[in-house]
Amino acid sequence: AQSVTQLDSHVSVSEGTPVLLRCNYSSSYSPSLFWYVQHPNKGLQLLLKYTSAATLVKGINGFEAEFKKSETSFHLTKPSAHMSDAAEYFCALSPSGSARQLTFGSGTQLTVLP
Amino acid sequence: DTGVSQNPRHKITKRGQNVTFRCDPISEHNRLYWYRQTLGQGPEFLTYFQNEAQLEKSRLLSDRFSAERPKGSFSTLEIQRTEQGDSAMYLCASTKGVQGLGYTFGSGTRLTVV
Repeated sequence: AQSVTQLDSHVSVSEGTPVLLRCNYSSSYSPSLFWYVQHPNKGLQLLLKYTSAATLVKGINGFEAEFKKSETSFHLTKPSAHMSDAAEYFCALSPSGSARQLTFGSGTQLTVLP
Repeated sequence: DTGVSQNPRHKITKRGQNVTFRCDPISEHNRLYWYRQTLGQGPEFLTYFQNEAQLEKSRLLSDRFSAERPKGSFSTLEIQRTEQGDSAMYLCASTKGVQGLGYTFGSGTRLTVV
């Protein structure tokens, strides 16, 4: 069985300050992990993915995430938030090396204050 | 490559009516997935195809739901005798081979059952 827990349903930051969105996972297999972003009434856009290569993964728009097996975490960070980062963020996993379906967390709504 | 296309974008239907959604994946992607997303939640897996074969179905996919992917190209998702609980965003995703490349999502079809 596998599951994803996003520890914060809402995060609010000021423009120019760091962003931290937390994700913990549980998996009986070695997982691949993903972060997606969803803007209102849009589909999901892939930000970055971990597939058992480097544990620090760099993605688009300045986001990065670090896979920590000992902590079963895959937190998403960005050094400096931009207004355009305001959106819903989803962490997801699937068994590594397969094309099985993704299991998603319940999402974190990021608000960026001017 | 125009990405994953879903039609219609919005559908309002009366309870008890049948509805059908279409997904056109990226042309070289052999795997296609359907997800359902309700308000404030992450997407939940419904079913997936490898080429034209439907390989897995979630327990969420009741007898009123059916999906097809004739000829391994586009896919349709039909809901018969719609209920208010079917109101959700229906997302389609596709990928090629193993998931190291990531899944590409469409913009979704938002269904409202009145």
